[in-house]
Amino acid sequence: SYVLTQPPSLAVAPGKTAIIPCGGNDIGSESVHWYQQKSGQAPVLVIYNDSDRPSGIPERFAGSNSGNTATLTISRVEPGDEADYFCQLWDRSTNQGVFGGGTKVTVL
Amino acid sequence: EVQLVESGGGLVKPGGSLRLSCAISGFSFSRYNMNWVRQVPGKGLEWVSFISTFSSYIYYADSVKGRVTISRDNAQNTLYLQMNSLRVDDTAVYYCVRGGATSAAGLDFWGQGTLVTVSS
Repeated sequence: SYVLTQPPSLAVAPGKTAIIPCGGNDIGSESVHWYQQKSGQAPVLVIYNDSDRPSGIPERFAGSNSGNTATLTISRVEPGDEADYFCQLWDRSTNQGVFGGGTKVTVL
Repeated sequence: EVQLVESGGGLVKPGGSLRLSCAISGFSFSRYNMNWVRQVPGKGLEWVSFISTFSSYIYYADSVKGRVTISRDNAQNTLYLQMNSLRVDDTAVYYCVRGGATSAAGLDFWGQGTLVTVSS
């Protein structure tokens, strides 16, 4: 089955840029989505189809996808961005959804 | 306002059954594919199951296949997950999640989840 690999944690200072990778075999050929989950809350879609932002998501959130890595970039990080972030795609070979293990972003 | 409200969770013994429900409002339910996603408290997200708009396509994670049945009632705006032969490792918060036009679309609205605890 398809495996998505994320670093478990990432620490970033306010105002800096957080770059969260999501690795997978030829992931650039797939549509990748990203979710933000704050403590005690349900996940929220922040990026879909590699780089599109749903209504209401700040422009500071951006996505890209190429080769074996998809990336979520959070610019000008704010304390409110502290959360777990999960990448996700649909595995067409098995017709199953797949999530990465998640990255906990800590704002210093 | 889009709302997905799960119910039916609770404490059940190993080998037992539960039926989760998800009441939908705020959008045209029959136009959207739907999913169940679960999360062990403190752990990551795990996709569980997908059902297309008129139930033509149904898919399951390997971890639940043969024990779980997803269904929907478009007239009642309700999504279901029938869970049988429950195991301790099925303990998780179960989220009802709206999908998009295809199975590969992003999951754009999530319920608040219902906790299923499997324990003797």
